[in-house]
This record gives sequence, C-alpha cells and structure tokens, in this order.
Amino acid sequence: AQSVSQHNHHVILSEAASLELGCNYSYGGTVNLFWYVQYPGQHLQLLLKYFSGDPLVKGIKGFETEFIKSKFSFNLRKPSVQWSDTAEYFCAVNAPGKAAGNKLTFGGGTRVLVKP
Amino acid sequence: GAVVSQHPSRVICKSGTSVKIECRSLDFQATTMFWYRQFPKQSLMLMATSNEGSKATYEQGVEKDKFLINHASLTLSTLTVTSAHPEDSSFYICSAMRGTYEQYFGPGTRLTVT
Repeated sequence: AQSVSQHNHHVILSEAASLELGCNYSYGGTVNLFWYVQYPGQHLQLLLKYFSGDPLVKGIKGFETEFIKSKFSFNLRKPSVQWSDTAEYFCAVNAPGKAAGNKLTFGGGTRVLVKP
Repeated sequence: GAVVSQHPSRVICKSGTSVKIECRSLDFQATTMFWYRQFPKQSLMLMATSNEGSKATYEQGVEKDKFLINHASLTLSTLTVTSAHPEDSSFYICSAMRGTYEQYFGPGTRLTVT
C-alpha cells in the first residue's frame, strides 16, 4: 500500500522568509502528486498537481514543487512567504495504474504559521 | 468552477440519533465522490468511495452499516451516520471527482454527538 509522509508537523516563519515543506511517498509505480492548502476555517484547495512531464511544477500563489522520482519526494516551496500563507498544507498521491487509482493518500499535514 | 458544497456545516445531535450529511457538486457532474474524516490536528482519512448508481466502497475498518452512503445522482452524495455516539464526533469532508484524477473538496461538516 502506498503511504505519504510529511516531515514537519509545525513550521513557524517570518514574512519574506523562504518556505520548503518536505513530502515523501512510498510506492514503486507511477503516481500523481498533489499539494493542497487548508486556510483556517476553509476547505481544502488545490495548490498544484503533477501528472507527468516537467518535474518542476508551478502552482498558484507562488508555490512550486519539484518531483524527484529517485528520492520519491515532491517538496513544496515558496521563495517568500506572506502572513496570508498561514495555513495547513497537505501533500497527497494517487496511483493511476492501480484499480483504485482515484483514491488519494494524504500526508499528515504541516501547519505553517507566518509571523508578520 | 468546480464548487462542492456540504450541508449542514455544523450539526449537534444526541447519542443514538442519526444524522445525514449532503455533498453536492454545484457546477459539474461527479460519478465518483469520496468521504473523509478529519480528526483534530490530523490528516484526512478516507472512509469510502461513493459511486453514482452503485454501492459505496468502504475502506478497511469503516463500518458500512454505521456510515451509510447513497450516491443517488451525479451531483449528490449523502453520508448518514446512524445511531451516532460521541466517538463519531468529527469533521467530515467530501470530495467530488472532476476529470480523471482531480478531486475538489467540500467545506466540511462538523458533527458533535452529545
């Protein structure tokens, strides 16, 4: 079974600092990769997704990820955070080659607090 | 586009009663919807996959008789928590498939069982 792990449970940053959230998955086959954000009191929103092609993916709000297949990782990065980036961030994968390919497996989430 | 709604957003019920939560895709049709449960400060745990016109597929450890799922149309799936108990108190989130692999999430329903 596939699993997803996020390295940090909590991250505290100051505005303008750079952000990198780690995410690794365990599955040997083809995967689709997702990063979601959950702002306080709001629903999950898709930040970016990777299906195939260029492993460097740019998402919304200045976020990006680089899929490193050899390391089974797709860390989330943002060069300069803002106070409004305070949220919880989840990475997730699904395995399109499997019968249950639509099912998402989520990481444990990382709470990010950006101090003004 | 790709808006998913849930109703109610919050519900408080007494132990032993049943509660129905609705999940609607407002601007697209979804043959597949998913139901998740999110405990405080934890990630989303998939409970079941809801397929329009067929029986739901439950994840291991999820009681199908306790969490009844009905996907009666391409825009509506319902989750009924039967004979609710305090340990069922949680945040329930649905998502709807749009396209091949993308899921769009509802805002969640906070269930409190007293």
